[in-house]
Amino acid sequence: EDQVTQSPEALRLQEGESSSLNCSYTVSGLRGLFWYRQDPGKGPEFLFTLYSAGEEKEKERLKATLTKKESFLHITAPKPEDSATYLCAVIEYSSASKIIFGSGTRLSIRP
Amino acid sequence: EAGVAQSPRYKIIEKRQSVAFWCNPISGHATLYWYQQILGQGPKLLIQFQNNGVVDDSQLPKDRFSAERLKGVDSTLKIQPAKLEDSAVYLCASSDTGTAYEQYFGPGTRLTVT
Repeated sequence: EDQVTQSPEALRLQEGESSSLNCSYTVSGLRGLFWYRQDPGKGPEFLFTLYSAGEEKEKERLKATLTKKESFLHITAPKPEDSATYLCAVIEYSSASKIIFGSGTRLSIRP
Repeated sequence: EAGVAQSPRYKIIEKRQSVAFWCNPISGHATLYWYQQILGQGPKLLIQFQNNGVVDDSQLPKDRFSAERLKGVDSTLKIQPAKLEDSAVYLCASSDTGTAYEQYFGPGTRLTVT
């Protein structure tokens, strides 16, 4: 069964303390991997799409990378406003429409 | 540019009652999605529309859930009858045909079934 597993479930960091979130996936063929940010009481907000191993995308303090089995979301010198749940999702090549989300990592940045 | 609109924002019903949610996607977006997000989990796709047609409804519990998208714009999702396990946030999202993987989500409707 296709799965998307995110770790850790929750992460608390001090402001300025860099870290990484992990997303591992098991699909027969990856069409695309996506990162979203979700604030409490709101819908997810699109961050990045990655298509092939070795690809990297950056946005402000966030950098997403992709390998054949997993993706990392690196957060450099985070600020309290980066606190949110970060969701990873994949679309399998054989099923162009069905997107599978992970359960997310709840990130909390202390000032 | 206006975002994805959903209503109501909150709904409390008793089990076995029916409920309907409404979604207005971003203007010009051909693809519309309905998701169910249970507390502590990621969103689960229920149904995807491309204009008026259904692309994927494989995870929609068709014995109690129904959805329609009239004229390829607004959409409604209905639950009848509701069960306790339907308590969740129902999210609507839309995407442009050219950037199908970049989905824009509405704020969601929080449903509580008692």
